[in-house]
Amino acid sequence: SQQGEEDPQALSIQEGENATMNCSYKTSINNLQWYRQNSGRGLVHLILIRSNEREKHSGRLRVTLDTSKKSSSLLITASRAADTASYFCATSQGDKLIFGTGTRLQVFP
Amino acid sequence: DTAVSQTPKYLVTQMGNDKSIKCEQNLGHDTMYWYKQDSKKFLKIMFSYNNKELIINETVPNRFSPKSPDKAHLNLHINSLELGDSAVYFCASSQGSGGPRKNIQYFGAGTRLSVL
Repeated sequence: SQQGEEDPQALSIQEGENATMNCSYKTSINNLQWYRQNSGRGLVHLILIRSNEREKHSGRLRVTLDTSKKSSSLLITASRAADTASYFCATSQGDKLIFGTGTRLQVFP
Repeated sequence: DTAVSQTPKYLVTQMGNDKSIKCEQNLGHDTMYWYKQDSKKFLKIMFSYNNKELIINETVPNRFSPKSPDKAHLNLHINSLELGDSAVYFCASSQGSGGPRKNIQYFGAGTRLSVL
């Protein structure tokens, strides 16, 4: 079965608001990544957080990792219409990445 | 220059046909992948090659055969196409070695396959 489950499946917000997406996984990890997929495009890597890190920032992105709860969250602050996309978490299992089910984010201008 | 490019972008074909999708990366990466994304956006690994050697082969029908002529190319050939093969297929690449960043993958734009 797939490793990551994401919540919510879909999220609609207004520009300027913050968006929070959550990811839960099942097994021990070395690191966790977040990717974005714009409609009709491939996935783009956003950020990687290692298992010994609790929080990481990149621009308007903030990722947290709680290994005791096997969960991660992605916060996008001050959202823009251009942030509209699907967001996926992914964990490494050996040589492969296991992707979550994704959260579809819609940001209205 | 596009880092990971795959062709064609769209592929419409009849059931029973054989088709190929090509992928090339100019990032100097050692590892390449094929994924299938279904209509619910679920992304599943199919194959992975490291330096032309098959390292991941998930439970995929043997009608699907990957071929890696060199480490910059990984093509996917599909025989006897079925309706259920309709999906978007993504090629990706990664460094494959050297710390946690080895797992960061770079994706192509996808090939939307429609089997009629």
